[in-house]
Amino acid sequence: AQTVTQSQPEMSVQEAETVTLSCTYDTSESNYYLFWYKQPPSRQMILVIRQEAYKQQNATENRFSVNFQKAAKSFSLKISDSQLGDTAMYFCAFDILDDKIIFGKGTRLHILP
Amino acid sequence: DADVTQTPRNRITKTGKRIMLECSQTKGHDRMYWYRQDPGLGLRLIYYSFDVKDINKGEISDGYSVSRQAQAKFSLSLESAIPNQTALYFCATSPSWGNYGYTFGSGTRLTVV
Repeated sequence: AQTVTQSQPEMSVQEAETVTLSCTYDTSESNYYLFWYKQPPSRQMILVIRQEAYKQQNATENRFSVNFQKAAKSFSLKISDSQLGDTAMYFCAFDILDDKIIFGKGTRLHILP
Repeated sequence: DADVTQTPRNRITKTGKRIMLECSQTKGHDRMYWYRQDPGLGLRLIYYSFDVKDINKGEISDGYSVSRQAQAKFSLSLESAIPNQTALYFCATSPSWGNYGYTFGSGTRLTVV
C-alpha cells in the first residue's frame, strides 16, 4: 500500500527563521509525483511545490524548496525566511500516476512574531 | 468567481437526514474528486470520477454516494447522515493530462448533530 508519513504533527518557529518539514513515503513504483500543499486558516488548499520523481534536481519556488531523496523515499520541505503568513497546516502528498493523490496527516506550522 | 465552487460552505444537519454537497468547476477538467479531512487524519479519498460515465470508490466510500451530472458538476450525498461524518469535505479537480496536482474548492464544513 502507498503511504505518506509526516512525523511532526506540530512545529513552531520564530519569524525569519528557516524551518524544515519532514515527509517520508512508501511505494514500489519508480515514477511518481510529489507535492506539498498548504492549508492556511482560511482552509483553502494551496499547492506549494511539485517534484517529479524522475528528476534529480530539487524543486524550488521562491522561499520554498524541497530536499528529495528518492532512495530514502524522503521529501522534506524547507521554508526560508519564514513569514507570519506561512502559518498553516502543510500536507505532503504523492501521485503514483493513477491520478489519485495520497495525502499525509499534516504538520501544523506556527510562525511566531 | 472561483474555479471550483462548493456549496454550502458550512452546514449543520441532524442524524438520519439526507444531505447533498455540490461541486461545480470552470476549469474544464475531466477528473473530479471528493475528499474528507479530519483532524489528525489528513485527507482521505471518498469517490472520484475520471469522466461523466466513470465513477469509482475511494478508500472510505461507505455511507456516501455521488453523481456526476455533467463534466463540470460532481455531487456528494450522505443518504442518512451520522455524527462520525462530521468533517471538512473537499472537492478537487485535475486535467486528464499531466500530474500537476489538484485544484481544490474551498471546502464544506459539515456537522452532524
